[in-house]
Amino acid sequence: ETGVTQTPRHLVMGMTNKKSLKCEQHLGHNAMYWYKQSAKKPLELMFVYSLEERVENNSVPSRFSPECPNSSHLFLHLHTLQPEDSALYLCASSQEGPPGVWEQYFGPGTRLTVT
Amino acid sequence: AQSVAQPEDQVNVAEGNPLTVKCTYSVSGNPYLFWYVQYPNRGLQFLLKYITGDNLVKGSYGFEAEFNKSQTSFHLKKPSALVSDSALYFCAVRGRMDSNYQLIWGAGTKLIIKP
Repeated sequence: ETGVTQTPRHLVMGMTNKKSLKCEQHLGHNAMYWYKQSAKKPLELMFVYSLEERVENNSVPSRFSPECPNSSHLFLHLHTLQPEDSALYLCASSQEGPPGVWEQYFGPGTRLTVT
Repeated sequence: AQSVAQPEDQVNVAEGNPLTVKCTYSVSGNPYLFWYVQYPNRGLQFLLKYITGDNLVKGSYGFEAEFNKSQTSFHLKKPSALVSDSALYFCAVRGRMDSNYQLIWGAGTKLIIKP
């Protein structure tokens, strides 16, 4: 395992539901990420937190709301989603800053289906 | 604009034969380059990275990649393919002045190794 866990692994929700995805990293990293993965497309970076501050928000719709209460935990709150939001949501972590060029470590993902 | 291209959606190789998964990039200045692998129902796993120095980089599971600056390529290779190498492979690149979260991802190449 990579040291990054995600729950739940699968989620089916209606368009009017509210749910949350959880991510936890056990690697002592200082940056965490949410990505959306759709088939045959590059990974789409949604949010980045570095030292618990949001540093990137790639024009993600407001129906996705991130929360980073500490350097080990990251949440993605979901409400009033659309069917096109169905995808695999990946959490990742890395060490940010010198020295070195650091790779990202990924969780197994949450397979989200919006009905 | 910065970009990564993985020109083949799928690569089919017989077990025991050499394999190559192609990646070309466009980025300002000298790049940092990465390969990740995704097995079914799993998150992405880091394979190898090029930072500087020797153009031939060795990584996990017997994989290697060759950085070619003149051709702006970073192809992934393995001398003898295993059925267990069947997975989705992603190339990623970032500029040296960019932050870790500014990775640019390819769309992925599905590698199928046939017995």
